[in-house]
Amino acid sequence: NAGVTQTPKFRVLKTGQSMTLLCAQDMNHEYMYWYRQDPGMGLRLIHYSVGEGTTAKGEVPDGYNVSRLKKQNFLLGLESAAPSQTSVYFCASSYAAPNTEAFFGQGTRLTVV
Amino acid sequence: TQLLEQSPQFLSIQEGENLTVYCNSSSVFSSLQWYRQEPGEGPVLLVTVVTGGEVKKLKRLTFQFGDARKDSSLHITAAQPGDTGLYLCAGTYKYIFGTGTRLKVLA
Repeated sequence: NAGVTQTPKFRVLKTGQSMTLLCAQDMNHEYMYWYRQDPGMGLRLIHYSVGEGTTAKGEVPDGYNVSRLKKQNFLLGLESAAPSQTSVYFCASSYAAPNTEAFFGQGTRLTVV
Repeated sequence: TQLLEQSPQFLSIQEGENLTVYCNSSSVFSSLQWYRQEPGEGPVLLVTVVTGGEVKKLKRLTFQFGDARKDSSLHITAAQPGDTGLYLCAGTYKYIFGTGTRLKVLA
């Protein structure tokens, strides 16, 4: 079972470059989320989506954009990468909220130099 | 500013000891979840607590939800090296996560 798959797993960007992180889930989940994880900070919610075609801001949305054109995919974009965006990014999905389990991908380690 | 504060931030103990991790908020949550994350992996759900005052047990792990639904605790009895990891609480509204407690159990 694939579950939640993130691509790429690792990436190094130069300051000012752009990139898109892809999250794909095969569990027919309605809700999808993007988090960043920095040392000592736990997980911080960047953006989330409650269904196809919808997106909403989380705790730390600045510098990121997202799209949910298909139910199974949730894309996270960085238009102009900055060193402060160096982090590990996790995608998650859940059937609905609240009280349901969130399933996570294995993360994307992004370094901006 | 994170809505959920966890304490302690780090904990290193010997195998066989007991420990408690706390998750506190000024906000009321309809439910809270606890996850464990191992290096290089995403978090995995341990438990969901829904009712104020609720206590749930998962083998040597005991989870409690505060009466006012603003806080929760995780108690581990007789910790083992396999319990090592990052423990995260999460409010299920918007899946906001706590700051995390990194636990290391020494053999």
